[in-house]
Amino acid sequence: QQQVKQSPQSLIVQKGGISIINCAYENTAFDYFPWYQQFPGKGPALLIAIRPDVSEKKEGRFTISFNKSAKQFSLHIMDSQPGDSATYFCAASIASNTGKLIFGQGTTLQVKP
Amino acid sequence: DVKVTQSSRYLVKRTGEKVFLECVQDMDHENMFWYRQDPGLGLRLIYFSYDVKMKEKGDIPEGYSVSREKKERFSLILESASTNQTSMYLCASSLWARANYGYTFGSGTRLTVV
Repeated sequence: QQQVKQSPQSLIVQKGGISIINCAYENTAFDYFPWYQQFPGKGPALLIAIRPDVSEKKEGRFTISFNKSAKQFSLHIMDSQPGDSATYFCAASIASNTGKLIFGQGTTLQVKP
Repeated sequence: DVKVTQSSRYLVKRTGEKVFLECVQDMDHENMFWYRQDPGLGLRLIYFSYDVKMKEKGDIPEGYSVSREKKERFSLILESASTNQTSMYLCASSLWARANYGYTFGSGTRLTVV
């Protein structure tokens, strides 16, 4: 029940296309859903996050869509660029608790020029 | 710029050795975490600490221990290194009960046990 399942494991997108990464969770107590971006040789960095009281959050080309009833959330990268090539992790936590994040398995995105 | 610094970028150790991985943060964060990253498995929590001298087991604590004697420093200890502990180890910190501020990660230590 603590798991966060992420798909696909890898993704190849042409420059200018839309990249979509999906995550699903079971624990309905989760109330904070961030996405992290990791470039080779670096630690993950917070990209965008959403709370379950909204269905969508957009920051630039990055959008989180959240479906509370289906217990799913997804990251959409519009107009994907080669510089977006990285590994992406979804995560979930109970923010009022210790802040412990449960991470998905990760998606390696390659954007071809 | 705030930072989480991991002492070693690459380490090669022999089976059975006691290994220390060090992590220091300069943000006065209460929470500190140790994760290991393996392909296809994502980030798995080993241990975390929400205060000095306090620690809690994560999802995969077996074979590991931790030490937090000062707020800014969190050490991961492999009591007797084994080849299945070959992995990327990531340290992170966050404000107490404020996951919505996000984690700040170090750049990782790639440990190879031979």
